[in-house]
Amino acid sequence: AQSVTQLGSHVSVSEGALVLLRCNYSSSVPPYLFWYVQYPNQGLQLLLKYTSAATLVKGINGFEAEFKKSETSFHLTKPSAHMSDAAEYFCAVSDTSYGKLTFGQGTILTVHP
Amino acid sequence: DAGVTQSPTHLIKTRGQQVTLRCSPISGHKSVSWYQQVLGQGPQFIFQYYEKEERGRGNFPDRFSARQFPNYSSELNVNALLLGDSALYLCASSVLSLRSSYEQYFGPGTRLTVT
Repeated sequence: AQSVTQLGSHVSVSEGALVLLRCNYSSSVPPYLFWYVQYPNQGLQLLLKYTSAATLVKGINGFEAEFKKSETSFHLTKPSAHMSDAAEYFCAVSDTSYGKLTFGQGTILTVHP
Repeated sequence: DAGVTQSPTHLIKTRGQQVTLRCSPISGHKSVSWYQQVLGQGPQFIFQYYEKEERGRGNFPDRFSARQFPNYSSELNVNALLLGDSALYLCASSVLSLRSSYEQYFGPGTRLTVT
C-alpha cells in the first residue's frame, strides 16, 4: 500500500525567505509523485510532478522538488517566499495502475511580511 | 478550455437524507475520480470511473455510490447521510494514460454540510 507523510502541519516563513515543505512516501513500485496547492475554499491546483524523467522537477510559481529515492523523499522548495504563496500544500503519490492519488495530511504555509 | 466543473457549490442536508453531487470533466478526459476532504485532512479517494466502468473504489461504505454517463460526466450519491459525511467533495478528471503520468485535474469542489 502506498502512503505519504508530510512533516509539519504548519510552516511559517518571512517574505523572501526559503520555503521548504517536507514529504516522504512509501511505495512498493517506482512512484509518480505530485505536489498540489489549495487556496481557501478552492480545489487543488497541480504545482509539479515527478515521473522518473528527472530527479529535480520544476513547477509553477517558482517551486521545485527533488526526488531522492534513497531517502524516499520529495521535498518542495522555493528560494524566496511571496505573500501569495500562503496556502495549504499537499504531497501525493499515484497508483500507476489507474492513477488513484494517496495524499498526505497537508502543510499550511504562512508567509509573514 | 473549461476546467472541471462541479455542482452544486454548497449544499446543506439533514441526517438520513440522500444527496447527489455532479461533475463534468475536462473535454477529452474519459476518467473521473471522486475524493472526500474532511476539514483539516488530505483528500481521501472514493471512486474512479473510466469509460463508464468503475476502476477503483476506496474504503467507503456502500452508502456511497457513483456512476459515469456516456458524455463522461459523473454523479456521486450518498445515502443515509451522517454528520461525518460533512466535507468538501472533489472531482478530478484525467486522460488516464501512462504518457500523461495519470495527471489529475481537480474541480472547485462541493461543500456538503450535514446537520
